[in-house]
Amino acid sequence: GAVVSQHPSRVICKSGTSVKIECRSLDFQATTMFWYRQFPKQSLMLMATSNEGSKATYEQGVEKDKFLINHASLTLSTLTVTSAHPEDSSFYICSAAHRDAGNTIYFGEGSWLTVV
Amino acid sequence: AQSVTQLDSQVPVFEEAPVELRCNYSSSVSVYLFWYVQYPNQGLQLLLKYLSGSTLVKGINGFEAEFNKSQTSFHLRKPSVHISDTAEYFCAVSDHTNFGNEKLTFGTGTRLTIIP
Repeated sequence: GAVVSQHPSRVICKSGTSVKIECRSLDFQATTMFWYRQFPKQSLMLMATSNEGSKATYEQGVEKDKFLINHASLTLSTLTVTSAHPEDSSFYICSAAHRDAGNTIYFGEGSWLTVV
Repeated sequence: AQSVTQLDSQVPVFEEAPVELRCNYSSSVSVYLFWYVQYPNQGLQLLLKYLSGSTLVKGINGFEAEFNKSQTSFHLRKPSVHISDTAEYFCAVSDHTNFGNEKLTFGTGTRLTIIP
């Protein structure tokens, strides 16, 4: 089946630094990718929708200057958390819409970010 | 806008017993409905989805769900659970205007624990 890979799976960074998380569709082209954030024991909250070659659409309340999203190709989207703070610690999950399969959604394995 | 309510945050069930995980939604427009499973430290895997047609939907791993429009529900059921079904289960909706560019709204999740 279709695979979406996130890297890194776990990252620890110091407060004030930036960290980049990659989301790749390994065997299909993704017209659209989505970034979610999940706090422990809570649901997934959509942060932004990214389309290849255009600016991401952010959900209300999500700071676009803090959570930079780049969708440079049909197989790669990146989320950069800038000037990270401990409250940014969370599980970040991406999903990708399979262009050639009716835009069926496939999720990545998620990335744990811990800001210390 | 839509919302999803999963009334039970935790459901313990003995092995080989039946289980029902409840999901109710609200929306001013017609919706598509999904159930996802999340194993520890992993991304989400689609169990089943309702788009149209028969209100009883069968998914993977022996799960099924029934769409009830009058009760705005989409409860997930399995007649006999296995230890390997221990996971977090999320109900999600997407409205018809977004299909083909699935923007999902998730419930808060139900942790299913199978007791040997």
